[in-house]
Amino acid sequence: GAGVSQSPRYKVAKRGQDVALRCDPISGHVSLFWYQQALGQGPEFLTYFQNEAQLDKSGLPSDRFFAERPEGSVSTLKIQRTQQEDSAVYLCASSSLRVTYGYTFGSGTRLTVV
Amino acid sequence: QQQVKQSPQSLIVQKGGISIINCAYENTAFDYFPWYQQFPGKGPALLIAIRPDVSEKKEGRFTISFNKSAKQFSLHIMDSQPGDSATYFCAAARDDKIIFGKGTRLHILP
Repeated sequence: GAGVSQSPRYKVAKRGQDVALRCDPISGHVSLFWYQQALGQGPEFLTYFQNEAQLDKSGLPSDRFFAERPEGSVSTLKIQRTQQEDSAVYLCASSSLRVTYGYTFGSGTRLTVV
Repeated sequence: QQQVKQSPQSLIVQKGGISIINCAYENTAFDYFPWYQQFPGKGPALLIAIRPDVSEKKEGRFTISFNKSAKQFSLHIMDSQPGDSATYFCAAARDDKIIFGKGTRLHILP
């Protein structure tokens, strides 16, 4: 596709529910990143994949958060037993170069936990 | 610990004026400093970026000034236009991470 596609665009979850957020990166992009953006804040790093390998998951806030990219293209961010503090926009980005050249973000998934 | 500090939080500028946003960073290992522009409901988009061996970079109306010794950098938007109204994030990158500032909401008065 022309850009990074994320689905769903909006998700409302009841506290304690599990959610799965999908990211379709730009075709051929090797690197994929997940960020969390709370309301009125800057994006915060969650995790990074190079192809199917998860090279850095230091930003995942708890063991309730899990990300995968099994075939090196589409990625899924899963949040188990959602809490109210998980409410945020989850952004995915992909890049064909080293990260320091900047990457293309998707429009995000807005998760609201009620 | 906030590694990238950005100011001001919000900024109002008259059309045609100069918008200035400032950032400071902590970690001298950062080797790339991008600025992102974000419109409501969209992801951040790369606007302009600089490496620490350069003191200034200009692209159209957008200029980054970089002061390595002070660990500070700034974005100048010349001839600001209403279409520039957005949230701007400075950032600093190293290896596999980009660390963002908290953002500046810029509003250009018509």
